[in-house]
Amino acid sequence: AQSVTQLGSHVSVSEGTPVLLRCNYSSSYSPSLFWYVQHPNKGLQLLLKYTSAATLVKGINGFEAEFKKSETSFHLTKPSAHMSDAAEYFCVVPGVGTYKYIFGTGTRLKVLA
Amino acid sequence: DAGVTQSPTHLIKTRGQHVTLRCSPISGHKSVSWYQQVLGQGPQFIFQYYEKEERGRGNFPDRFSARQFPNYSSELNVNALLLGDSALYLCASSLDRGSSYEQYFGPGTRLTVT
Repeated sequence: AQSVTQLGSHVSVSEGTPVLLRCNYSSSYSPSLFWYVQHPNKGLQLLLKYTSAATLVKGINGFEAEFKKSETSFHLTKPSAHMSDAAEYFCVVPGVGTYKYIFGTGTRLKVLA
Repeated sequence: DAGVTQSPTHLIKTRGQHVTLRCSPISGHKSVSWYQQVLGQGPQFIFQYYEKEERGRGNFPDRFSARQFPNYSSELNVNALLLGDSALYLCASSLDRGSSYEQYFGPGTRLTVT
């Protein structure tokens, strides 16, 4: 069965420092993977997606993620955090043979001034 | 273009009551999915509807039901509300029914059961 594990439910960084949010997946094959962001009182927005093309995926707002099959990881990074990046981030894998998305438990990013 | 819209934004109900939540997908999208997001957790899949038929169902009791209309809008119904049904209910639409199609999420309906 497909699943994703997000390490660290809360991450704090200072403004201008790098961001690293961790996601490991479990799958019997090379899946599609997504990162979504949820700002307070707003819907989920797609940050980036991996669909078996390039392993380094660039998304919106300067975020990127690298698919590493050997480590079963899909960590989200950004070189320099901005105050507006404070939000909840979800790693997502589509279910096999179904139409659902399987979400991780989320990581709340706090950006300190 | 308008995104996915949901109504109402907030709702307060009493235990045992019934609730109906509504969703309008992005124009041209034929698939609608519903998710429940309990505070502090990731969204959990409830249903997917495509071309007015249920195509997938998550691990939710029969108190939860949904339907999709000819214009592809959708309703989620929950009967005999429990305190544990308090959550943010998210609707997502996509062009087609496969899970590789990107799902676009609405802002959600915040349901509080007292």
